Amino acid sequence: EIVLTQSPATLSLSPGEGVTLSCGASQSVSSNSLAWYQQNPGLAPRLLIFDASSRATGVPDRFSGSGSGTDFTLTISRLEPEDFAVYYCQQYGSSITFGQGTRLEIK
Amino acid sequence: QVHLQESGPGLVKPSETLSLTCTVSGNSIDSGYYWGWIRQPPGKGLEWIGNIYHTGKTYHNPSLKSRVTMSLDTSKNQFSLKLASANVADTAVYYCVTSQWLGLWDSWGQGTLVAVSS
Repeated sequence: EIVLTQSPATLSLSPGEGVTLSCGASQSVSSNSLAWYQQNPGLAPRLLIFDASSRATGVPDRFSGSGSGTDFTLTISRLEPEDFAVYYCQQYGSSITFGQGTRLEIK
Repeated sequence: QVHLQESGPGLVKPSETLSLTCTVSGNSIDSGYYWGWIRQPPGKGLEWIGNIYHTGKTYHNPSLKSRVTMSLDTSKNQFSLKLASANVADTAVYYCVTSQWLGLWDSWGQGTLVAVSS
């Protein structure tokens, strides 16, 4: 099983700032089959990024993904109030596993 | 746009079978889509349970495979999950999900909380 480790666990930032979240895999993720989801309190997760760097339909261009192999990142260029949420990475190259999440909170 | 709605008991006794149904609208479950389940224990992260393709082929989380049964009901446009021998660790919000691609979930139900308790 591929274990995904996200860092940091929590980040405190202000609206307008930029941020980069990290996701490390215990082994190489096949075909960069790595996705990112956003989850706001009380709601279902929402797909943001797939194939490591492709934005899902309707996702603002302030969200971008990058990386390959075992190291992946999600960057939010300018934080909007609605971006303060929990972010999960997920790999689908070998079975399906999720990271433990990074919580983005307002400073 | 596809809409998914989970239904089932909110409370299950330990050792019993946890059963959930997902009703689909806006798409046919015998189209070329994957249908599946993901769960989230209270205050914790996401765990993939499994998927069923429109052909009936299933994909399971290895850690749950021996207890999971998934099925399609084309007459009702629903798909179902059964998790045998439920225990306290199965307490979670259960989401039904779908996508054209295995492993990418672009449509989610609102989720339903199932507690396993005596």
